[in-house]
Amino acid sequence: EAGVAQSPRYKIIEKRQSVAFWCNPISGHATLYWYQQILGQGPKLLIQFQNNGVVDDSQLPKDRFSAERLKGVDSTLKIQPAKLEDSAVYLCASSLLASGSSYNEQFFGPGTRLTVL
Amino acid sequence: LAKTTQPISMDSYEGQEVNITCSHNNIATNDYITWYQQFPSQGPRFIIQGYKTKVTNEVASLFIPADRKSSTLSLPRVSLSDTAVYYCLVVRNTNAGKSTFGDGTTLTVKP
Repeated sequence: EAGVAQSPRYKIIEKRQSVAFWCNPISGHATLYWYQQILGQGPKLLIQFQNNGVVDDSQLPKDRFSAERLKGVDSTLKIQPAKLEDSAVYLCASSLLASGSSYNEQFFGPGTRLTVL
Repeated sequence: LAKTTQPISMDSYEGQEVNITCSHNNIATNDYITWYQQFPSQGPRFIIQGYKTKVTNEVASLFIPADRKSSTLSLPRVSLSDTAVYYCLVVRNTNAGKSTFGDGTTLTVKP
């Protein structure tokens, strides 16, 4: 079974530039997550989709970050404009449909390491 | 969601059993305890999940006392390849399974 795919794996940009990350979840997984992981810290949830609807985006800095999941499959996360503090690894994860009856483990992609200079 | 507290780091030697304890004093009735493992330059990977008493799989055991205010991840006979960061999460069994990662425990296994 193919895992969660992310691209690019690495990205270096200058502050105030824009950048986009792409994620392709595991086939059949309805729930998709974007996390930001700063060096030495645990992953911080930015946004959670269920199919193509947003379940939780309470920690997404909406003045500069945006995400979409068209057709309930692939997703893109964009930062515009980037700041120095956005330097981090951006992880995408997917799981089977999250519901109130069971927990479905999250499968993570390899992440995109972003460096903002 | 209940906040979790884990030791920042732990050291062990190959072949030893390692126990990592997590406290979650404000755990709710419909919360589950879940553990993930993360190697450098990789995303976290699910290890085990439990609600109460003991759960065991091929990788680890999870012990949860009756009051559920803490849990212990037990790794039997660790090897160098078990060196990783281990995260304890409390997952709400409603509301689309919300959970929060803390900063984890860095386990270093020495030869």
